[in-house]
Amino acid sequence: EADIYQTPRYLVIGTGKKITLECSQTMGHDKMYWYQQDPGMELHLIHYSYGVNSTEKGDLSSESTVSRIRTEHFPLTLESARPSHTSQYLCATSQGGKAFFGQGTRLTVV
Amino acid sequence: AQSVTQPDIHITVSEGASLELRCNYSYGATPYLFWYVQSPGQGLQLLLKYFSGDTLVQGIKGFEAEFKRSQSSFNLRKPSVHWSDAAEYFCAVGAGAGSYQLTFGKGTKLSVIP
Repeated sequence: EADIYQTPRYLVIGTGKKITLECSQTMGHDKMYWYQQDPGMELHLIHYSYGVNSTEKGDLSSESTVSRIRTEHFPLTLESARPSHTSQYLCATSQGGKAFFGQGTRLTVV
Repeated sequence: AQSVTQPDIHITVSEGASLELRCNYSYGATPYLFWYVQSPGQGLQLLLKYFSGDTLVQGIKGFEAEFKRSQSSFNLRKPSVHWSDAAEYFCAVGAGAGSYQLTFGKGTKLSVIP
């Protein structure tokens, strides 16, 4: 089973700040995903990657960007945070069609 | 703490046969319940969700699920399976409006034979 680590778990930050949410995995999975979740609601795919140097936008438009320089890391960056970015961000990997999930980062922009 | 159990790791059905994927949850209040499907190489796709009201929920691709509070279950069903339904299915439980808490089951892999 994959180990997926997301840091920080909780982040409260002021409007206009640049932030990077970290996601790392130890199992060498090629496919990685970022989902956004509002309280009580379903997940929405915002970014995915099929491997190093591969990144694609998901179904939900997002002002965030991602990079995949190494297999293990899939960080998500917001250049200028806004209150509308307040949400939970969940990182996941998949292997053989099976998904594995991180604990999530709860972001609050004030 | 909430938890989700999908008792079946792998199910194989013939094309055209009916399907039922089991999901049991543990949560103290009325949960928000979701079924997602992950096809190979794809992200999660929401099939259906239950928040309140009618306990039989219709979703996309001909799927439905029934919330049974007395059994703490939210089983996914489809009357006639198509080969394209082969995928991994995840049940998830949320703690309700205003909560970020979302717990996934470990998934059930569905194989469809011609």
